[in-house]
Amino acid sequence: DAGITQSPRHKVTETGTPVTLRCHQTENHRYMYWYRQDPGHGLRLIHYSYGVKDTDKGEVSDGYSVSRSKTEDFLLTLESATSSQTSVYFCAISEFDGQNEKLFFGSGTQLSVL
Amino acid sequence: AQKITQTQPGMFVQEKEAVTLDCTYDTSDPSYGLFWYKQPSSGEMIFLIYQGSYDQQNATEGRYSLNFQKARKSANLVISASQLGDSAMYFCAMRGPPGGYNKLIFGAGTRLAVHP
Repeated sequence: DAGITQSPRHKVTETGTPVTLRCHQTENHRYMYWYRQDPGHGLRLIHYSYGVKDTDKGEVSDGYSVSRSKTEDFLLTLESATSSQTSVYFCAISEFDGQNEKLFFGSGTQLSVL
Repeated sequence: AQKITQTQPGMFVQEKEAVTLDCTYDTSDPSYGLFWYKQPSSGEMIFLIYQGSYDQQNATEGRYSLNFQKARKSANLVISASQLGDSAMYFCAMRGPPGGYNKLIFGAGTRLAVHP
């Protein structure tokens, strides 16, 4: 258990509304990531953070923004949700085990945009 | 561009037998890492095993081993003595571009069904 909590676990919203997903970690990891999972695509990186207020885009960042005002929280915001953003969203952290950096995931958030 | 390919959308295996899940990758970077994750029906992503490109030996973690063939650019997952609880989606992933801060590129996954 890498100490990652995602909230909410499930959310249903309407097209055009703003949505914020939260990722909280308790172990002071520097690197945090947001991925989305869609059928046939595996997981794709949306945004990532390499420190407080340090973030960068992934491969599918359009329509999403992120913020990291403190080490433990990484927020993903959909400014105006669209049906194409219906997906399962995973937060992840990097953890160094003494030899290699490994990625561990939270439990996921199922988002439905109607 | 880096790419991960899992060519088996679905596999099945009898309980207690071994099964190999295929993964091929493409990268021009000599330094990379390869991961396997398990996703059961409950949805969480569970880290299974990791192989670094410079590791001299194939990685093993309990019943999981990684058959790493660098020249062929393959990193197949071998599960020995399959159990019913091994039924899940399995994803192969590769650490992304240089300086990628552990950005992973995932394959599309293989669904494994273990039959009693």
